[in-house]
Amino acid sequence: KQEVTQIPAALSVPEGENLVLNCSFTDSAIYNLQWFRQDPGKGLTSLLLIQSSQREQTSGRLNASLDKSSGRSTLYIAASQPGDSATYLCAGINAGGTSYGKLTFGQGTILTVHP
Amino acid sequence: DAGVTQSPTHLIKTRGQQVTLRCSPKSGHDTVSWYQQALGQGPQFIFQYYEEEERQRGNFPDRFSGHQFPNYSSELNVNALLLGDSALYLCASSVLRTSGAEAFFGQGTRLTVV
Repeated sequence: KQEVTQIPAALSVPEGENLVLNCSFTDSAIYNLQWFRQDPGKGLTSLLLIQSSQREQTSGRLNASLDKSSGRSTLYIAASQPGDSATYLCAGINAGGTSYGKLTFGQGTILTVHP
Repeated sequence: DAGVTQSPTHLIKTRGQQVTLRCSPKSGHDTVSWYQQALGQGPQFIFQYYEEEERQRGNFPDRFSGHQFPNYSSELNVNALLLGDSALYLCASSVLRTSGAEAFFGQGTRLTVV
């Protein structure tokens, strides 16, 4: 069974801190990893897609890495701001045959950045 | 580009009723997937449509069915609604034959079954 686990489940930090969110997956059929942000009651906003041929991707203050051999991905947020407060979800994208393109999500990390 | 759009945004239904949710994919995308997100949980895969056919399906009962139209838009139908079907339903679009298969999501439809 394909599983994606996110640690920690919740995180509360003061503004300005650098932080790391962790994602691990057990299925070798996961070939890409996508990070999303979700505000309360809203849809998912794509933050970064890391393909299996890449080791990391950067967008502004965000940096995500992928290590397929260990089944881990991390999302690094630099100089956190109150506006970063949201739930962060990672999703493994399946590469296996008819399962191609299926996303398997973790439970998410609820991030609160206080002023 | 309007991105992925879903309608309606909110819906209240009674147990036993049927519901239809709609999704228009991002321009240029040919694949639509549906996900169910219960409160406090990650989204769960329901099914995926490509070329107007259900291509793969998650662990959901036959009460959940869908359709994809020639313009790539999609519908999700749920029959005989249960209280446990109350959730945020998310539509995602992507381009199947790419190396990335990056998914883009709509704002979701909040379904409440009473």
